[in-house]
Amino acid sequence: KAGVTQTPRYLIKTRGQQVTLSCSPISGHRSVSWYQQTPGQGLQFLFEYFSETQRNKGNFPGRFSGRQFSNSRSEMNVSTLELGDSALYLCASSLAGLAGKNTGELFFGEGSRLTVL
Amino acid sequence: AQTVTQSQPEMSVQEAETVTLSCTYDTSESDYYLFWYKQPPSRQMILVIRQEAYKQQNATENRFSVNFQKAAKSFSLKISDSQLGDAAMYFCAYRRGGNNRKLIWGLGTSLAVNP
Repeated sequence: KAGVTQTPRYLIKTRGQQVTLSCSPISGHRSVSWYQQTPGQGLQFLFEYFSETQRNKGNFPGRFSGRQFSNSRSEMNVSTLELGDSALYLCASSLAGLAGKNTGELFFGEGSRLTVL
Repeated sequence: AQTVTQSQPEMSVQEAETVTLSCTYDTSESDYYLFWYKQPPSRQMILVIRQEAYKQQNATENRFSVNFQKAAKSFSLKISDSQLGDAAMYFCAYRRGGNNRKLIWGLGTSLAVNP
């Protein structure tokens, strides 16, 4: 079974540009979450999508957006890049079922390393 | 707001020895889950062990076990018979119960395993 795939793995952008990152979840997983990882702030939740709907959102400015497609693949976009956006962006997928005692284990991709110059 | 604290930025252990990584959390929720994730230098985050708050029994997974002290809001990870492959960043994470997938993370503990 293929794991979570993120593309691109590495990218370099300049301030003011925009970037789109892609995430393909494990087959059958309908929930996709995005996290930003930086040395100073650690891991911070960006947003979660389930069945093409944003189900939860973290405390990030509106420059950070995302979407999910009908095949559960997800993209996140960062517009007007700032130096502080340099980070490892991690995508995670999980089985998202009905309410209940679902531990919601997340399966992570290897991440997209964004450097903003 | 929920918070997760890992007070040990770095730890080291001799191969074959036992090490305990600390984690404390703060929440007013009664339904939640706790996790330990491992991030090796290759960067892919891997789940090590999970604990449901409603379970009193401490979770174990082979050489990994937790000491879950719900009243004290403590969730430590014990690694027995440490191996070189255990060297990684270890993150403690909290998730509220229900369908949300938002994890709140500690800042991590970097574990070195000495041969």
